[in-house]
Amino acid sequence: QKEVEQDPGPLSVPEGAIVSLNCTYSNSAFQYFMWYRQYSRKGPELLMYTYSSGNKEDGRFTAQVDKSSKYISLFIRDSQPSDSATYLCALMKGAQKLVFGQGTRLTINP
Amino acid sequence: NAGVMQNPRHLVRRRGQEARLRCSPMKGHSHVYWYRQLPEEGLKFMVYLQKENIIDESGMPKERFSAEFPKEGPSILRIQQVVRGDSAAYFCASSPTSDSGQPQHFGDGTRLSIL
Repeated sequence: QKEVEQDPGPLSVPEGAIVSLNCTYSNSAFQYFMWYRQYSRKGPELLMYTYSSGNKEDGRFTAQVDKSSKYISLFIRDSQPSDSATYLCALMKGAQKLVFGQGTRLTINP
Repeated sequence: NAGVMQNPRHLVRRRGQEARLRCSPMKGHSHVYWYRQLPEEGLKFMVYLQKENIIDESGMPKERFSAEFPKEGPSILRIQQVVRGDSAAYFCASSPTSDSGQPQHFGDGTRLSIL
């Protein structure tokens, strides 16, 4: 069983829709939760960083962590074509090693 | 641009040759991490280094792969006697301290192709 599970998609939605991206994990030792966005042929770009259960909002992006269910989510409101990318969840146990989900490929259609 | 710099962006090698990948961390960062991304897969941790020290190499293949981060200069990921299966994108990330939970910032990677 993988430590972090993420549906690879692809996911295609119309412009303006609300997008929901999710990851589940198996090890309760994970303490820090991140979402990265990766455009084609580029490196991962840090979008959101949280370390506690609950919601964190930044503009059109909301990260949600439910430690009891071992479930994390990223919501994108008013999605734009420029949001089309691969979204990676990444978890850390404190020892600096990031464990990534497989990534979800998202396309926003104009 | 004070971001993580990796070079070369693309590297082509024939089977049996050596590949050297370089990474300069963000200004003020002294912790470097290497990850590998195989086609259609997520990033997999390889090694974590501080200046002149390997902290965690649990993700490094036991043979042919080595990494260093000298006192002066960039971090180097070295792959000896490359094989087709080494073809991948190799990403470097950096963080400022060893404090738990420090987010990592990534470079744009080196895409290694083995002929």
